[in-house]
Amino acid sequence: GESVGLHLPTLSVQEGDNSIINCAYSNSASDYFIWYKQESGKGPQFIIDIRSNMDKRQGQRVTVLLNKTVKHLSLQIAATQPGDSAVYFCAENQAGTALIFGKGTTLSVSS
Amino acid sequence: GAVVSQHPSRVICKSGTSVKIECRSLDFQATTMFWYRQFPKQSLMLMATSNEGSKATYEQGVEKDKFLINHASLTLSTLTVTSAHPEDSSFYICSASKPGTGYDYGYTFGSGTRLTVV
Repeated sequence: GESVGLHLPTLSVQEGDNSIINCAYSNSASDYFIWYKQESGKGPQFIIDIRSNMDKRQGQRVTVLLNKTVKHLSLQIAATQPGDSAVYFCAENQAGTALIFGKGTTLSVSS
Repeated sequence: GAVVSQHPSRVICKSGTSVKIECRSLDFQATTMFWYRQFPKQSLMLMATSNEGSKATYEQGVEKDKFLINHASLTLSTLTVTSAHPEDSSFYICSASKPGTGYDYGYTFGSGTRLTVV
């Protein structure tokens, strides 16, 4: 079946840098995308979402970009902090069906 | 609002026994709940979708007789791992959904259950 994938498995940044985490999706029918943060031993924590009729959405220190032409999603974290260290997953679905998760990127922030 | 409680957070059981995991929506009624399984350093894999009052829909490769799902009320879904074996050891996570109330409200995740079968 179709699935969501990620370009890079790990990302190491210095505190204060901006982080960019990428995601490629294969289901062109997907109309909703979410980024989740998962810390060790915990469930996924919602970060930001975007619908397919949008190209960009901003939250607090985070921005999600959606490029439907190449089926690419990215999460930008501004001024990355040690507390941002975690595994980040993109997820996608269509019309209220179950979310399908990508493989995950481990973000490591050093001070 | 939109809190999902999952219990227990950790469980160790002997091989051949059964384990029940509960997923509760605390402040909303969840018409649909989803169960995921996550192995170490891997992503969340959808196991099944359960709708209140009807049978669960299982993903390909997930044994419905081994992973029993019951969604008898709008606030509770249970996953029972029957005749557990060491290969069933994993992190099980539920998600509760109430369609029509906004996406972030509609996909709230529990804190997960770490199952270890010895």
